[in-house]
Amino acid sequence: NAGVTQTPKFQVLKTGQSMTLQCAQDMNHNSMYWYRQDPGMGLRLIYYSASEGTTDKGEVPNGYNVSRLNKREFSLRLESAAPSQTSVYFCASSVDGNSNQPQHFGDGTRLSIL
Amino acid sequence: AQSVSQHNHHVILSEAASLELGCNYSYGGTVNLFWYVQYPGQHLQLLLKYFSGDPLVKGIKGFEAEFIKSKFSFNLRKPSVQWSDTAEYFCAVNAVNTGFQKLVFGTGTRLLVSP
Repeated sequence: NAGVTQTPKFQVLKTGQSMTLQCAQDMNHNSMYWYRQDPGMGLRLIYYSASEGTTDKGEVPNGYNVSRLNKREFSLRLESAAPSQTSVYFCASSVDGNSNQPQHFGDGTRLSIL
Repeated sequence: AQSVSQHNHHVILSEAASLELGCNYSYGGTVNLFWYVQYPGQHLQLLLKYFSGDPLVKGIKGFEAEFIKSKFSFNLRKPSVQWSDTAEYFCAVNAVNTGFQKLVFGTGTRLLVSP
């Protein structure tokens, strides 16, 4: 049982390049999330998807777009990467967002923008 | 808006010392509370959670946390730490009955346990 799988694990981009971070979960969860983790700032929510077919902005959505491709997959896209987007990105999922179920996290993608 | 404060950013302890990490949140309504741990190079894992009932919650690896509603606190404790507890610890809160529940994380406490 893989849980939440993120690809790639590491990526280096040049300013202005675009890329998509992939996330898939095999737990039949309805809700999925993208966070960024920066030193001294904890985890901040970028976007979330309450259920298949819906997406909403979180705390720090600027510069990002998301797609909930199906129930399993939730991708994060950087259209024009900026150095301020250098961070570690975590995808997470939960049974749903209206319960007390915890979120399950992937291993993260370490992204550097030069 | 909800917020979570973890006042200890870095903690250094010797093995067998006792641990208490502070967590305070700001929200006047009912909350669900979580502690997550992130070992070096790994993803976040759930340590324990509180939803209702006994305010003293026991989690994995000998950790426990106490919810004190009057103080808006959910401090994490362990009587005797081990070198393997070296990790970063995050407190998280979500408000109940406010629509879709989104976790709000604290900034984390980095714990170093020396052997």
